[in-house]
Amino acid sequence: EVQLVESGGGLVQPGRSLRLSCAASGFTFDDYAMHWVRQAPGKGLEWVSGISWNSGSIGYADSVKGRFTISRDNAKNSLYLQMNSLRAEDTALYYCAKGSGAVAGVNWFDPWGQGTLVTVSS
Amino acid sequence: EIVLTQSPGTLSLSPGERATLSCRASQSVSSSYLAWYQQKPGQAPRLLIYGASSRATGIPDRFSGSGSGTDFTLTISRLEPEDFAVYYCQQYGSSPNTFGGGTKVEIK
Repeated sequence: EVQLVESGGGLVQPGRSLRLSCAASGFTFDDYAMHWVRQAPGKGLEWVSGISWNSGSIGYADSVKGRFTISRDNAKNSLYLQMNSLRAEDTALYYCAKGSGAVAGVNWFDPWGQGTLVTVSS
Repeated sequence: EIVLTQSPGTLSLSPGERATLSCRASQSVSSSYLAWYQQKPGQAPRLLIYGASSRATGIPDRFSGSGSGTDFTLTISRLEPEDFAVYYCQQYGSSPNTFGGGTKVEIK
């Protein structure tokens, strides 16, 4: 069974940093692109970032470009999101999702983890 | 970026009824790279449909997707109690991936 388990969320002050992790199991991790998608409280879904199987191709939403960095460690079956200069509008539930292919560009997402909540507030 | 507009915002129906959800794109979605997801309260989204009309593994055949270009539809032929949820469309043919704002299917 494919499992994605996010961790690292919490309450953080504006301007500070946080690092999210996603532990993957049940599939060959380095065969697939991986993504982060977020959902603000009571709102819809927003793609945040994606990374190809070998980290050779990476993309970001304009809203996080220059502040967030996605990475992966295939030896540890793990995905990461380093979030710097956090803002109140980054408050959301952050989901890790498995891409449908190896390249990050043309992917649907299946499955999704249960998410980790990031709250940015003073 | 491609903007996806879902309608209606809320659909009030009874179990056994047919649900028709619309997703309209601001420009053509290449190769029908459109997916549909279901999200229930407190749960992560679940993939229903990819490639506009292909059902994901384990999805009942009462769920069907259709459309191409800029107009796509998710149809639930006969609503079961567990189908009342929020549904999102996503286009993945153009960067960045984008999602629609969602349609809530509620019990009438």
